[in-house]
Formats: sequence, C-alpha cells, structure tokens
Amino acid sequence: KQEVTQIPAALSVPEGENLVLNCSFTDSAIYNLQWFRQDPGKGLTSLLLIQSSQREQTSGRLNASLDKSSGRSTLYIAASQPGDSATYLCARTSGSRLTFGEGTQLTVNP
Amino acid sequence: ETGVTQTPRHLVMGMTNKKSLKCEQHLGHNAMYWYKQSAKKPLELMFVYNFKEQTENNSVPSRFSPECPNSSHLFLHLHTLQPEDSALYLCASSQDRVTEKLFFGSGTQLSVL
Repeated sequence: KQEVTQIPAALSVPEGENLVLNCSFTDSAIYNLQWFRQDPGKGLTSLLLIQSSQREQTSGRLNASLDKSSGRSTLYIAASQPGDSATYLCARTSGSRLTFGEGTQLTVNP
Repeated sequence: ETGVTQTPRHLVMGMTNKKSLKCEQHLGHNAMYWYKQSAKKPLELMFVYNFKEQTENNSVPSRFSPECPNSSHLFLHLHTLQPEDSALYLCASSQDRVTEKLFFGSGTQLSVL
C-alpha cells in the first residue's frame, strides 16, 4: 500500500504561473515532512523541512504547509521559472523511517 | 555541491562481477544512508549507519554488502547482481538520526547486464 502519494504525477505550466503540488500520507503520526527537488540523473536537494510541531515553512518563492489532521502537505511555488523544472518529492518521517512519494515531474515552459 | 560525493557516477557490470560504490561526506555528519531509486518507483531505503554502526537493514539481499569504516565514508559492495538491480543508488547523510534533514549525493547509475 502506497504510504505517501503525490498528485499530480506530472505538471506542465507556463512561466510565471503560481502552482501547488500535493502530498498525502496515510500515517498521521509523523515527525517531519520534507520536500526535495531532483534534477534528471542527479541526487536530491532538500528544499524545506517542516517539523511536526510546525504548520509551514517558507524559502524564497517556495512555501510548504503541513496539515497532520488531514494527512496532507502542499508545496506552493510562486512565479514559476523554467529553472524550476524538476521532479519534486515529498517524504515523511515516522519513527526512524523516511518514506518517499513517487514525485511530481514539473515542467515550466518559457 | 551538497557536500556528499559519490563515485563512480556511472557503472556497468556483468552479473558475475564484483564492484563497490563509494560515498564520502564532508559535512561532519554522523548518520549515512544508502537509497535505491528504480524507474517509476519511490526511493527505497536500503541501509542506515549511525556513528559507524549499522542501525537499519531494510531486508536488502545479501548480494549488497555495506561498509562504514568511519563517519565520513560509506561503501556499498556489489556481487552477483541481477538485471533488476539496475537503478540509481543514492547516498545521503544527516547530522543525526533525529534531525533527518538529508543531504544527498548525485548518485551512481548502475546497469547490470
């Protein structure tokens, strides 16, 4: 059973658009929720880490929120740019285990 | 540059070969991890080391053998692999097991023929 689900699997938007990526998880007893970015053939870069006691984190044009009661997290990207094109993964921590979703492949068209 | 370096970047091996993947972190972290990323599947945790001691083995077949000689270096020794083991193998580190903010290397793209 998929423990972490990301919707949509792929997203294509024009440059400048604001967008939201979704992540849902089945286990509400999480400790942390992280969002990562992965460029093709590369490793992952941590974008935002939300502790379980927090509700959101912001970094530049990125804002991530966490709603443990509904088992959801969203990553909001403002004023998207072609350089934002990548796969975005969310991962939740429960106990000592980090569980990843399959990712959303984002393409921002110039 | 994340501070986590993996070599080689690409590796092609036959099923009877023995090879090793290397990971080195320059961040002063105490926890290191091996993950496997197969096409169209989520990242799978393989092994966790904390202060050089293996703290987690996620039911990984014995043809994968990790080694952590010190907190800065992590190896994954490979022998008699199968074609289905072809994947991107990612190393990561974190300050400790509690913090869980991971820093990833660029990975080794492994192809088993």
